[in-house]
Amino acid sequence: ELKVEQNPLFLSMQEGKNYTIYCNYSTTSDRLYWYRQDPGKSLESLFVLLSNGAVKQEGRLMASLDTKARLSTLHITAAVHDLSATYFCAVEDTSGSRLTFGEGTQLTVNP
Amino acid sequence: DTEVTQTPKHLVMGMTNKKSLKCEQHMGHRAMYWYKQKAKKPPELMFVYSYEKLSINESVPSRFSPECPNSSLLNLHLHALQPEDSALYLCASSQGEGLANLAKNIQYFGAGTRLSVL
Repeated sequence: ELKVEQNPLFLSMQEGKNYTIYCNYSTTSDRLYWYRQDPGKSLESLFVLLSNGAVKQEGRLMASLDTKARLSTLHITAAVHDLSATYFCAVEDTSGSRLTFGEGTQLTVNP
Repeated sequence: DTEVTQTPKHLVMGMTNKKSLKCEQHMGHRAMYWYKQKAKKPPELMFVYSYEKLSINESVPSRFSPECPNSSLLNLHLHALQPEDSALYLCASSQGEGLANLAKNIQYFGAGTRLSVL
């Protein structure tokens, strides 16, 4: 059974600071997703990471994937209040049928 | 256009009611999904349809009955629900289930239906 662990689950940070969210998973997968969810809203796709060593950046967010370590990171640079949301990583099984989500990281960026 | 449309946005129903949730996409996607999300929890997969056939049922109680009338539509029929079934129900679609070699088989999510069972 595929298990996905995110940490931290709660993150309160000040504007302008940097931080990293970690996502570990238990079995082989070559596809990992990061989603953002605002309160009461749906999931917004941020990144799809398809291979070992993949790195993608969009604005103040950068995601990377190490399939050998079964680890993905979401790095936040110079946080701003608009980044406050819950961030989920999700790992796809090898059949390409199921996404298993981490518990989510609730990020609050304070002025 | 990467839009998945869900209706209604909100639904309140009694335990003896029958209601349906609807999901529609016009991206030509051949895989569609239902997820259930409780407050402050991650989405949990319920059903997967691939090419209009049910391919995955994650041991969901029979009071939830999915239906895929055509490649663009996905319904979730609800009957005799319990208060613990109150949640956000999310629909998603992707180009094709099981296309593990396809570079961008991303699941796009609808806005969800917030269901309250009284």
